Amino acid sequence: SAVISQKPSRDICQRGTSLTIQCQVDSQVTMMFWYRQQPGQSLTLIATANQGSEATYESGFVIDKFPISRPNLTFSTLTVSNMSPEDSSIYLCSVLGLAGSGANVLTFGAGSRLTVL
Amino acid sequence: GQNIDQPTEMTATEGAIVQINCTYQTSGFNGLFWYQQHAGEAPTFLSYNVLDGLEEKGRFSSFLSRSKGYSYLLLKELQMKDSASYLCAGGSYIPTFGRGTSLIVHP
Repeated sequence: SAVISQKPSRDICQRGTSLTIQCQVDSQVTMMFWYRQQPGQSLTLIATANQGSEATYESGFVIDKFPISRPNLTFSTLTVSNMSPEDSSIYLCSVLGLAGSGANVLTFGAGSRLTVL
Repeated sequence: GQNIDQPTEMTATEGAIVQINCTYQTSGFNGLFWYQQHAGEAPTFLSYNVLDGLEEKGRFSSFLSRSKGYSYLLLKELQMKDSASYLCAGGSYIPTFGRGTSLIVHP
């Protein structure tokens, strides 16, 4: 399966600032996603990062708040804009790929833990 | 809509067997996944069921009943390192995740 590198692994940010998270994959992948995992909550899909076009956002998430870039098939960034304490969460990059069983399985990066003060 | 339910927390003894249940209601179905997530780490894929029945993989097995919208993850010969959160996920092509079941294994 693909190996995913995310940075930063963690950061403490001030209210009102923005932070960009980078995701690098060791192979070309078609489907790349950004998830959020708030404390005690499930993984929530933010958006699908589309190469060469605008990301596809899930209900409750908008481009102005979470702009996403996908310049090629191995790299993507997620920006969390104008942060508030409610944005404190773990943000995970994920790719979809074939497992040995033949299933399309999500592989995740280690996540970026953001704390907004 | 998508709804995945699983217990919040379970405890078990080292060496024992534990079954983590998951019920789902999804608008589409492309299989049922189980992931393991240790604290501070990324979720890792454990198992996948798309047909009814039991899939066995070493100490871990997963069961699916599509008619009942029900799955379980069975962990045998529990080890301390099995203490983790176990996430049930299913639905359409991009799965929806449950909140996870925190499993605590004690000596």
